[in-house]
Order: sequence, then C-alpha cells, then structure tokens
Amino acid sequence: GESVGLHLPTLSVQEGDNSIINCAYSNSASDYFIWYKQESGKGPQFIIDIRSNMDKRQGQRVTVLLNKTVKHLSLQIAATQPGDSAVYFCAENIGGGSYIPTFGRGTSLIVHP
Amino acid sequence: DARVTQTPRDKVTEMGQEVTMRCQPILGHNTVFWYRQTMMQGLELLAYFRNRAPLDDSGMPKDRFSAEMPDATLATLKIQPSEPRDSAVYFCASGLRGMVFFGPGTRLTVL
Repeated sequence: GESVGLHLPTLSVQEGDNSIINCAYSNSASDYFIWYKQESGKGPQFIIDIRSNMDKRQGQRVTVLLNKTVKHLSLQIAATQPGDSAVYFCAENIGGGSYIPTFGRGTSLIVHP
Repeated sequence: DARVTQTPRDKVTEMGQEVTMRCQPILGHNTVFWYRQTMMQGLELLAYFRNRAPLDDSGMPKDRFSAEMPDATLATLKIQPSEPRDSAVYFCASGLRGMVFFGPGTRLTVL
C-alpha cells in the first residue's frame, strides 16, 4: 500500500493569542518530562522541564502543566509570537534514573501575524 | 554558551559509500544519544552511551550501523555501506540527569 508521512497535529493561532499544546504520555512510571521546540532545519531545542513531584512549572512566557492521573502534559505559551512557529515535542523519561527521553510525534504550531 | 556540535551538517553520498558522522557533546554530560529523524518515523533513538559505555543500540540496523565513543569529547556514527533508505537527519544529543540537549543535526542524503 501507499506509505504516508507522519501527519502532525497542527495548531494555528493569531499573534498575541495564548497557545496550548497538549501531549499524552504512555508510561505511568515516567517521572521526568521535557518540552522541546524544533524550528525548520534545526535540532530540537530544550524549552522547559518538569518532574513528577510537581504539577506546574513556569518559565518565560511558557508554563507546563502535568496531570499524572490521566498521563497528560500541556505547554502553554503566552502572547504567542511568529517566532514561536515550530514543531513542539514532549519527551517522557521513565523513572529509575535511566533518563532516556522517548518522544511523541509532535505538534506543529503556526502563528499568523 | 555550551552546545552540542555535529559535523558534517550536510552529506550527500552514493549508495554503498561509507558515511561517518561526528559529535562533540557538552563537556560534563555523561550521556550521549544518537537519534534519526524522518518524515515517516519521526524521532527514533538509535543508540546511547553513558560514561562512554554503549548501553543500548537496539534501535540501529546492526549490520551496517556502528556507534562509538573513542573519548569523552567525540562520538561517532558510521554507516557502511549506506543505502538510500538511510537518508534522514541524524541528531546527536548529550545529557546529564535527564536534561538532554540536541545538536544541529547532519542531513544525510544517499543517492
């Protein structure tokens, strides 16, 4: 059969709006999570991390929320700018100190000026 | 400003040729990863090292891929012989206690 590419979920927002990117992780033993931003032609860039003993962490214009009950992460970007347009990945690390990030498929964020 | 560096940034080669990609991890990081990214499969973990010891290379095609870390400042990924299906962007990443940072990648095209 015909092969298809990886269809990424896409979020389109207007400049200045707040963006929320969601991620469901798979392993209840995961205890450390990282959000990455990947711009076209570049490597994934570390944005913010959170450990499982927290449910919220804030950075500059970004906030990560963790809901361990439903194995869900979200990345909130305040006052989204055109420079925020990129693919965003969440990565989970299974506990026990192994620290091997496993990546989801990513979400494409498009910011319209 | 510490960062992971990779060379070459772009490589075009012909099927059957040997390809070697190099990575300099961030000084002090004890874990080094090799990932491959394609449109079809996304980001795949190929291999990783901790304190220079190879811990897992189950993500790599064993017959043609090899990963080594001859010293703390150099990690290599070699493909011999290369095939068109190896065309992808190869990322090296290094980390310490879970904080993992990626290099800019090597875009490999095998004709």
